[in-house]
Amino acid sequence: IAGITQAPTSQILAAGRRMTLRCTQDMRHNAMYWYRQDLGLGLRLIHYSNTAGTTGKGEVPDGYSVSRANTDDFPLTLASAVPSQTSVYFCASRAQGRSTDTQYFGPGTRLTVL
Amino acid sequence: AQSVTQPDIHITVSEGASLELRCNYSYGATPYLFWYVQSPGQGLQLLLKYFSGDTLVQGIKGFEAEFKRSQSSFNLRKPSVHWSDAAEYFCAVGTKSYIPTFGRGTSLIVHP
Repeated sequence: IAGITQAPTSQILAAGRRMTLRCTQDMRHNAMYWYRQDLGLGLRLIHYSNTAGTTGKGEVPDGYSVSRANTDDFPLTLASAVPSQTSVYFCASRAQGRSTDTQYFGPGTRLTVL
Repeated sequence: AQSVTQPDIHITVSEGASLELRCNYSYGATPYLFWYVQSPGQGLQLLLKYFSGDTLVQGIKGFEAEFKRSQSSFNLRKPSVHWSDAAEYFCAVGTKSYIPTFGRGTSLIVHP
């Protein structure tokens, strides 16, 4: 069982380019999340999806879009990357249930926009 | 909206010493509370969580945390720190809608 995989591991991108960060989970969790982590700011929620076919905006959604066509995949797209989107991006999924409600995190994608 | 404050950006302890990392939250109802650890270059790993019941929660790697409603706190403790505990620690608060909010993190430095 892989848990959550993210691809690529790291990427250097020219400003203005389009980029999709991939996230796949094999735990059949309904809820999935995208965070960005910046030094001194902790993790900030970009977008989330409570179940396949639905998405919602988090704290910092501008410049990002997501889709949730099925349970396993939750890609994050930067339509036109800007340097302020340089960050480490983490995908997470949630195991639901009163006593087991827990988020599981992927290993992250380090993105540099020049 | 809920919020989380981790007042210490960095904490330095000697190996074998006790540890307490502070976390204060703001939320109107009973929160779900979490502590995560992040080793360099890694994702976040859940240490422990509080949903209800016993306010002293035991986690992995010898960590524990105590929920104190009167102080809106959920401090993380370990009686004897190991060099491998050096990492970034994040407190998080969730609600019934489960959109968790994370603190900014506390970096733990362990001296030999």
